[in-house]
Amino acid sequence: NAGVMQNPRHLVRRRGQEARLRCSPMKGHSHVYWYRQLPEEGLKFMVYLQKENIIDESGMPKERFSAEFPKEGPSILRIQQVVRGDSAAYFCASSPQGAGVAYEQYFGPGTRLTVT
Amino acid sequence: KNEVEQSPQNLTAQEGEFITINCSYSVGISALHWLQQHPGGGIVSLFMLSSGKKKHGRLIATINIQEKHSSLHITASHPRDSAVYICAVRSNTGNQFYFGTGTSLTVIP
Repeated sequence: NAGVMQNPRHLVRRRGQEARLRCSPMKGHSHVYWYRQLPEEGLKFMVYLQKENIIDESGMPKERFSAEFPKEGPSILRIQQVVRGDSAAYFCASSPQGAGVAYEQYFGPGTRLTVT
Repeated sequence: KNEVEQSPQNLTAQEGEFITINCSYSVGISALHWLQQHPGGGIVSLFMLSSGKKKHGRLIATINIQEKHSSLHITASHPRDSAVYICAVRSNTGNQFYFGTGTSLTVIP
């Protein structure tokens, strides 16, 4: 059973370009979380998605950031018109179900975004 | 003020020492997680707790809900335990996760 997969592992974008980060959850998992880790800072929750639904996006910046988890295919975190401050490691995690206490999260290896 | 505070921020230990990392939180929670982040950046979930104590190999995690405090213990520490250990809590009023800033552990042979 493959773990959570993220691609690309490293992404370099110039200011103003778009960044698309992909996350394929573990087989059988229908819930995905995205987190951001800025340099020298802790992890911050961004968004929690279920297939075809955004459950909680309270941690997402109001502009330029969006996330989706379609019925088929990976979850995608999209950052439009990237700025240097978006440079960070972006992790996704998946769980078999959602808000229940009993469910662990399994983390992907992360995507390291560098904005030049 | 952070919803989750960890101490110490940095910890250096000799191989074989008993290690304790502390986590205090200020919000109501449905679960507390201990995570391990290796120098390469990958994150592994070590424990998920909502009460009591859990043990896995040389790792022990405890939680005191009344005091809003958790500890992660490592017995007979080894250089391969060197990593950043992160405490995270899931709010019981929504889906928010709050993370501590991590404890950087270095175990010297």
